[in-house]
Amino acid sequence: DIQLTQSPSFLSASVGDRVTITCRASQGISSYLAWYQQKPGKAPKLLIYAASTLQSGVPSRFSGSGSGTEFTLTISSLQPEDFATYYCQQLNSYPPTFGQGTKLEIK
Amino acid sequence: EVQLVESGGGLVQPGGSLRLSCAASGFTFSSYAMHWVRQAPGKGLEYVSAISSNGGSTYYANSVKGRFTISRDNSKNTLYLQMGSLRAEDMAVYYCAREAVGANGADYWGQGTLVTVSS
Repeated sequence: DIQLTQSPSFLSASVGDRVTITCRASQGISSYLAWYQQKPGKAPKLLIYAASTLQSGVPSRFSGSGSGTEFTLTISSLQPEDFATYYCQQLNSYPPTFGQGTKLEIK
Repeated sequence: EVQLVESGGGLVQPGGSLRLSCAASGFTFSSYAMHWVRQAPGKGLEYVSAISSNGGSTYYANSVKGRFTISRDNSKNTLYLQMGSLRAEDMAVYYCAREAVGANGADYWGQGTLVTVSS
């Protein structure tokens, strides 16, 4: 199985900050990567697919980049509603594994 | 509006069985692959199972292979997960999710149903 490692696992930031979360794959996955946002007690929400394509309705302050084994999710200017846990998922091969998550908290 | 509504969760004893359902509406259910993903309390997301649009292909995580069975009834717009030989480590919120076009992740998720395994 392909392992995904997210860093950091916890991130403390302020409204207006620019933040970056990294997801590293144990082997190359081309651009077959998605990012999700999950708030407490809610289902995950798809933010980005194909590493850099914004899902319809997702604010443009979210962006994704990378290919191969290293990927990033960037939020350009944090808004109060962005404080949540973020997961990456590889879609290159089964099982479509998830990273362990990055919890973004308010500083 | 796309909706996925899970049901069937509850308390079950170790070794017991449970069937989860996911009722779909607002889209052509028979055109989409579907997935089950679970989340243990306070933990991350874990992939469980998948089924192709016509039900002809299925996938299971090693952790549930041989104990869980995924199926679908396209005439009823419903996805199922039959769970057997349940263990404490199967306790989680179970989400059904629709696979996005082009296998680009899961674009719609249900609200989840909690399975508690305890004696």
